[in-house]
Amino acid sequence: GENVEQHPSTLSVQEGDSAVIKCTYSDSASNYFPWYKQELGKGPQLIIDIRSNVGEKKDQRIAVTLNKTAKHFSLHITETQPEDSAVYFCAASPTSGTYKYIFGTGTRLKVLA
Amino acid sequence: KAGVTQTPRYLIKTRGQQVTLSCSPISGHRSVSWYQQTPGQGLQFLFEYFSETQRNKGNFPGRFSGRQFSNSRSEMNVSTLELGDSALYLCASSLEGTGAYEQYFGPGTRLTVT
Repeated sequence: GENVEQHPSTLSVQEGDSAVIKCTYSDSASNYFPWYKQELGKGPQLIIDIRSNVGEKKDQRIAVTLNKTAKHFSLHITETQPEDSAVYFCAASPTSGTYKYIFGTGTRLKVLA
Repeated sequence: KAGVTQTPRYLIKTRGQQVTLSCSPISGHRSVSWYQQTPGQGLQFLFEYFSETQRNKGNFPGRFSGRQFSNSRSEMNVSTLELGDSALYLCASSLEGTGAYEQYFGPGTRLTVT
C-alpha cells in the first residue's frame, strides 16, 4: 500500500551544522512532496515543498531534493539554529484524485547551542 | 489572511460519550482534511471534504464521521468514545485539495478520553 518512510527518527546537531532528513515513498505516481515543521503545542507548518517536475528547490537555509527514479526526497537545513529544533514531517501526495497526503513518521531535530 | 482555526482547543470526555470538533478553513479554501495525530501512529488521514462532499476516507471505524457546510467550514464527530481516541485532531485546508496544492494545518484540538 501507500507508504512514506522517514529517517532518522531523531537527529541532534550542533548549532551552525547542517541537518539532513530523508524520505522514501512507495507510490511512483506521487507528484507533490511537502515538508512540515511542528513545534510543541502547535499544528504542522508548511516550510517547503517540491513538485515532481523539479529536482531541487531552495528557500534561504532550507532546501529539498527529489529523486523520482529512486523515489527519495530529502530536506536539507544549513547553518542550523536553536529555533530549528522541532519535529519535521515529510509527506507525499499519491495519485491525483485520491485527495490525501501520506505522512512520514517524523524526525525530532535538536539543535544544540 | 487568517489561518485555519479549530475549536475547541482542548477537550476532556468520558468513554462512551460523543464529541464534535469544528474547523474553519483559510478564506477561499474549499478543501478540508482531518487527521489524527498520536505518538504511536503519527499523522493518520481521516477524511477529506470538498464542496460539502466527502471525496476520500481513511481507515477509521464508522464512529468517526464528518461533514462540510456551504461556507467550507467542517465538523468531525466521534461517537462512543474509546480511550484510544485520545489524540490531537488536526484540520488542514487547501485551495482545491487535488493533492498538488499546499495544505495548511490548524493548531489542532487535543482530545483526552478518560
